[in-house]
Amino acid sequence: NAGVTQTPKFQVLKTGQSMTLQCAQDMNHNSMYWYRQDPGMGLRLIYYSASEGTTDKGEVPNGYNVSRLNKREFSLRLESAAPSQTSVYFCASIFSGLGGYTFGSGTRLTVV
Amino acid sequence: TQLLEQSPQFLSIQEGENLTVYCNSSSVFSSLQWYRQEPGEGPVLLVTVVTGGEVKKLKRLTFQFGDARKDSSLHITAAQPGDTGLYLCAGGSGSSNTGKLIFGQGTTLQVKP
Repeated sequence: NAGVTQTPKFQVLKTGQSMTLQCAQDMNHNSMYWYRQDPGMGLRLIYYSASEGTTDKGEVPNGYNVSRLNKREFSLRLESAAPSQTSVYFCASIFSGLGGYTFGSGTRLTVV
Repeated sequence: TQLLEQSPQFLSIQEGENLTVYCNSSSVFSSLQWYRQEPGEGPVLLVTVVTGGEVKKLKRLTFQFGDARKDSSLHITAAQPGDTGLYLCAGGSGSSNTGKLIFGQGTTLQVKP
């Protein structure tokens, strides 16, 4: 099925551990995004990649890094996890600037 | 900083009732989108509006973009239990080439049978 695939779906980390969230889309979309969703705060943009080979910071980039590996894949890395990074993370993609997002099903991350 | 305020945050109604969700900002947006999200899933796009004053209908759902492109509303007629979910508005931010969206905090809708 065409769409956005995120792995893993669930993860528990200890404070200070690192991990990479994976995202892949098979719709030939140009732009990809990482958002975090916290109760009562909607979705907040962490990083985005408007096109292959470019990445830019969003609203809440501190503590995260990203890699646009190729047109299909956009990964999010937590170098040293903190409890404040406990959240649900969504990857999304669009073909062009005014298009609607296609979201993955999310990664629920808990940092203890 | 661009912000989108949604109201109400929570809505619990009986099947068959009508409802309206509002999305307001002091900023102008290039486009406005509405998404619906179910528990454990990512948001799913319902509609995109780009022209001030635009009205779009999707079965029992009516979406309106304000004339000044600063606000939007979602009206549901004769709500059904299947309409239950989290409704999110999102505004196009910055250059249209980036595709960045600013999201409202969401409206949780519960429709009781």
